[in-house]
Parts: sequence; structure tokens; C-alpha cells
Amino acid sequence: AQSVTQLDSQVPVFEEAPVELRCNYSSSVSVYLFWYVQYPNQGLQLLLKYLSGSTLVKGINGFEAEFNKSQTSFHLRKPSVHISDTAEYFCAVSPYNTDKLIFGTGTRLQVFP
Amino acid sequence: ETGVTQSPTHLIKTRGQQVTLRCSSQSGHNTVSWYQQALGQGPQFIFQYYREEENGRGNFPPRFSGLQFPNYSSELNVNALELDDSALYLCASSPGGKPYEQYFGPGTRLTVT
Repeated sequence: AQSVTQLDSQVPVFEEAPVELRCNYSSSVSVYLFWYVQYPNQGLQLLLKYLSGSTLVKGINGFEAEFNKSQTSFHLRKPSVHISDTAEYFCAVSPYNTDKLIFGTGTRLQVFP
Repeated sequence: ETGVTQSPTHLIKTRGQQVTLRCSSQSGHNTVSWYQQALGQGPQFIFQYYREEENGRGNFPPRFSGLQFPNYSSELNVNALELDDSALYLCASSPGGKPYEQYFGPGTRLTVT
């Protein structure tokens, strides 16, 4: 079985500060890794994905994430956040042997002016 | 290119009733997945359809059923609605050969009273 743990339910940060949202996963098989963002009253938007290759992945809106296989982590980072980054962020995995996404419980990023 | 669309946007039903939710996949995508997102939680996988056949199912009872049509659009049907079925229902479509790469619609908010 697989599981995804997002260690922080809420992350408050001031505008232009750096931020890291943490994600750890557990799986007995290899997985693809994803980060999605959900703005209020909207669906999920794909921020970035790791399928293979370089462990540092760049996504949209200035976000990046690094896959660490030994620590089974896939933390999301942004060097300087904007008010518009306020949203819910979900980490997800898709095991190689299935076609479904398994999500964490989400991290609410709140950016203050 | 048209993204994933869902209808209706909101829906209110009474316990015991039946509901049908609809999803149009993104152009060129032949796989559709459905997820249930309860308030404050991450999305949970319901099932996936590929070329009109169910291709994987999550831990949901049989009263959750679906269809995929030749144009790859899809329906989610829920019978005998329960209060706990109140949630945001998300549809995601995937391009051929990449079922793990899922692009989400805006969702349908279902409230069961």
C-alpha cells in the first residue's frame, strides 16, 4: 500500500519570503510524484511532476521540487512567494503498477503582505 | 485546446436520492478518473475509465458507478445518497499512454441533506 504525508497542515509566510512545503511518501513499488495546487472553489492544477531523470524538477509559477529517494521525500520550494500563491497544495504519488493518484491531506499556504 | 469541464457546478440532493455528474475530457485524452474530495481532505480515487471500460477502482461501494462514452466523456452515478457523500467530485483526464498524468476539472460540489 502507498501513503503520502504532508507534514504541515498550514504554512504562514510573508510576501517575498522563501517557502518549503514538505512531503514524504511510503510505497513498496516505484512511484511517479506530483504537486498540485488548488485555489478556493476550484479544481486541482498540476504544478510539477517527477517521472524520471534529474531529481530537481521545475514547475509553473516559479515552484520547484526535489526528489530524494533515500528519504522518500518530494519537498516543494519557492524562493520568493507572492500573495497570489495563497492556496492549498497537495502532494500525490502514482505507483508504477496502477494508474491512480494517492494524495496527501494538503498544506494550506497563507501569504501575508 | 479545451480543458476538462464538469457539470453541474453545484448540486443539492436529499438522502436516498440518486445523482449523475458529468465530465468532458480534455481534447486528445482517452482516460478519465474520478475523485471524491471531502471538506478539508485530499482527493480520494473512486475509479478510472479507459476506452469505455473500468480500469481500476478505489475503496468505494458499488452504489458508485460510472460510464465512459465513445467521445471519452464520462458520467459518475451515485445511488442511495448518504450524508457522507457530500463532497467535491473531481474528474481528471489523461493523455493516451500516460494515465498517471492527470489534468483536473473544476469539480462538482454535491451537498446531501
